[in-house]
Amino acid sequence: AQSVTQLDSQVPVFEEAPVELRCNYSSSVSVYLFWYVQYPNQGLQLLLKYLSGSTLVKGINGFEAEFNKSQTSFHLRKPSVHISDTAEYFCAVSVGSNFGNEKLTFGTGTRLTIIP
Amino acid sequence: EAGVVQSPRYKIIEKKQPVAFWCNPISGHNTLYWYLQNLGQGPELLIRYENEEAVDDSQLPKDRFSAERLKGVDSTLKIQPAELGDSAVYLCASRQSSGAGSQYFGPGTRLTVL
Repeated sequence: AQSVTQLDSQVPVFEEAPVELRCNYSSSVSVYLFWYVQYPNQGLQLLLKYLSGSTLVKGINGFEAEFNKSQTSFHLRKPSVHISDTAEYFCAVSVGSNFGNEKLTFGTGTRLTIIP
Repeated sequence: EAGVVQSPRYKIIEKKQPVAFWCNPISGHNTLYWYLQNLGQGPELLIRYENEEAVDDSQLPKDRFSAERLKGVDSTLKIQPAELGDSAVYLCASRQSSGAGSQYFGPGTRLTVL
């Protein structure tokens, strides 16, 4: 079975500074990887996903992530954060057909707090 | 396009009482999911429907939880009786069954059991 580890439960960052949120996965087969964002009292919103092809994936709101198969990682990055990026971020992994969207396994989340 | 709709948004009940949550998926999305999200945790799948058929309910505690999607559109998740440990956010998500369509999540129902 696959699993996801988000190493940092909380990450405080000053506004306009860069940020990296770490995600490592384990799976014995090829995986599909996702990052979701959850704003307070809202559902999850897809930021970006890796299905195949280029290992550098660009998403919404200026976020990007790089799939590293040798290190089994899919870290999320943004070069300059804004107050509005304050939220909970979840990494998720999936295997199987249909681009792996059928069943997601989520990490425990990283709370990103932007400091003015 | 309307997103996934869930109601109620908040529910407070006493233990041993029944409770039900409702979800209306995005139009045209045949696949529907119910997730449980405990405080400080990521969502965990409870059940997945393909149209009206529950194709994955291995994580649903069937002694007290039940779900239905009678006409392959709206879905209801029920807990009877509720326990203190059921306090959590219950998320509904939907997606198109074919292709690379992603899961779209509703805002969730926050359940508090006293």
